Amino acid sequence: DTAVSQTPKYLVTQMGNDKSIKCEQNLGHDTMYWYKQDSKKFLKIMFSYNNKELIINETVPNRFSPKSPDKAHLNLHINSLELGDSAVYFCASSQGEASGANVLTFGAGSRLTVL
Amino acid sequence: GQNIDQPTEMTATEGAIVQINCTYQTSGFNGLFWYQQHAGEAPTFLSYNVLDGLEEKGRFSSFLSRSKGYSYLLLKELQMKDSASYLCAVTNSNYQLIWGAGTKLIIKP
Repeated sequence: DTAVSQTPKYLVTQMGNDKSIKCEQNLGHDTMYWYKQDSKKFLKIMFSYNNKELIINETVPNRFSPKSPDKAHLNLHINSLELGDSAVYFCASSQGEASGANVLTFGAGSRLTVL
Repeated sequence: GQNIDQPTEMTATEGAIVQINCTYQTSGFNGLFWYQQHAGEAPTFLSYNVLDGLEEKGRFSSFLSRSKGYSYLLLKELQMKDSASYLCAVTNSNYQLIWGAGTKLIIKP
């Protein structure tokens, strides 16, 4: 049973299109995250939800909209895709919210390529 | 600003020992993590240090000195499967996780 699963694993699309990435965790964790990892391998936090409530919203274009229907799911919708959106997007979850010891469990990643 | 510095790439020989260093400058400190990321895969948790000293876990050990803003990950008896990127990350006083760019470790036979 996959702990954090995200779909699709690969996504190739044209500029200007709208796409979604879905994420589900079966660990019973309270907090879920979206990270972007670019070609330089830096992991950048985009959003974080705790029990369906948005707690972190970093400076990302408002073309990116997260949605958390319940605490086990956090989806990412991207409008009007641009070339610079090409990256690997990782979903992750952790047990609690504000704690230095929160270990993240990551999904396998979704590689988005915008042509 | 806040930053995490670690070498971009290191090479080591199978069976040997390698030490990957990480220095950090963050607004406050609430713990330091090491994650392993194989190419094309997700990062996976290796270790967590919040107090000064050495934490040993099998072939891997992690050291922390808070006064120096410094940590290292020590890998012993290197195996080919240890070829991966090793990411250092620090939780600051606001419980934000600040990530380094990772160190790509190449193991040669």
